[in-house]
Amino acid sequence: DSGVTQTPKHLITATGQRVTLRCSPRSGDLSVYWYQQSLDQGLQFLIQYYNGEERAKGNILERFSAQQFPDLHSELNLSSLELGDSALYFCASSVTDNEQFFGPGTRLTVL
Amino acid sequence: AQKVTQAQTEISVVEKEDVTLDCVYETRDTTYYLFWYKQPPSGELVFLIRRNSFDEQNEISGRYSWNFQKSTSSFNFTITASQVVDSAVYFCALRPANSGYSTLTFGKGTMLLVSP
Repeated sequence: DSGVTQTPKHLITATGQRVTLRCSPRSGDLSVYWYQQSLDQGLQFLIQYYNGEERAKGNILERFSAQQFPDLHSELNLSSLELGDSALYFCASSVTDNEQFFGPGTRLTVL
Repeated sequence: AQKVTQAQTEISVVEKEDVTLDCVYETRDTTYYLFWYKQPPSGELVFLIRRNSFDEQNEISGRYSWNFQKSTSSFNFTITASQVVDSAVYFCALRPANSGYSTLTFGKGTMLLVSP
């Protein structure tokens, strides 16, 4: 158990819908990262937050957004969902710039 | 731009065999970190090791060992006397050591199947 929690574990929704994925980092970790894992793209970095502020942005679509709250938990919002958004979404956390510890992931299925 | 290549998409071995997973990377950064993560069938990503670019000493942890060679930009992972529980997808990853940019670039992964 990495100490990073993600909810929900599974999510099934329809195209065009909007979902929110939630992540709670390990105690004391200020950085939260979101990654998407799909069969064709592999593991791709989406976005990083550090202590509530956006710190780095990767291949995140404009339909996706994230935020980190004062209690350091983070949410990833995915809107106008398409079939191709079906993937495993991971959250990771770290202390400053050290190794990242990953949560169990949220498996999103868009039908 | 950074790139991590894991040329072996799938490896099958029989229990107790030794197996080496290859990782080759490209980066323009002079200092960087290399990582290995394990993704068992249950899906979570488990951190295995972090290596600094300025430390080329090989590391051994139980049945696991890592060979870092800066001259060939490789960071290979060897499992000695493999076990069925080692069956998983293994990812090599890279990130710059510059503070403020700590995102990981992952390889495509190598699926290891260990048969009894």
